[in-house]
Amino acid sequence: AQSVTQLGSHVSVSEGALVLLRCNYSSSVPPYLFWYVQYPNQGLQLLLKYTSAATLVKGINGFEAEFKKSETSFHLTKPSAHMSDAAEYFCAVSRSGYSTLTFGKGTMLLVSP
Amino acid sequence: EAGVTQSPTHLIKTRGQQATLRCSPISGHTSVYWYQQALGLGLQFLLWYDEGEERNRGNFPPRFSGRQFPNYSSELNVNALELEDSALYLCASPLDRASTEAFFGQGTRLTVV
Repeated sequence: AQSVTQLGSHVSVSEGALVLLRCNYSSSVPPYLFWYVQYPNQGLQLLLKYTSAATLVKGINGFEAEFKKSETSFHLTKPSAHMSDAAEYFCAVSRSGYSTLTFGKGTMLLVSP
Repeated sequence: EAGVTQSPTHLIKTRGQQATLRCSPISGHTSVYWYQQALGLGLQFLLWYDEGEERNRGNFPPRFSGRQFPNYSSELNVNALELEDSALYLCASPLDRASTEAFFGQGTRLTVV
């Protein structure tokens, strides 16, 4: 069975500050890991994905995440937050790109001026 | 290339009625996943259709059903609607079994009153 835990349902940062969204997973097989972003009343957009290649994954909009097997973590970071980053972020795990995704509960990122 | 399209964007039904939601995957994609995003419950896997057949279903009652047509578009039916069925229903499709990501539609917002 697979599961994802996202620590913090809400994270608040100031514009220009570091963004850190935490994700821990459990999986009985080497996982595929994903971060998705959801803007209000919209579907999910893929930010980045880990598929057993490089452990540091760079995504769109300046986001990156590091896969740490020993910590079963896949935290999402961005050096400098922008107002347009305000959205809900979901971490997800799957056994492959073709199998169903198991999502975390999501973290709402709030960015203040 | 058109993305994953869902219709309608919004649907309002009364308790006890039936709702039908539709999804068209990206051209050439043969697999469709349905997810429910209900307030406070996160994203839950509903159904997986692949090449016309139901491959897997999540932990939902039988009144949630669907089908996939020869052109790979899909329909999700929810019978005997209950208030707690109010949610955003998202459709996703990966390219093929070697794909490492699924593309999401914008969703259908179902409101049961």
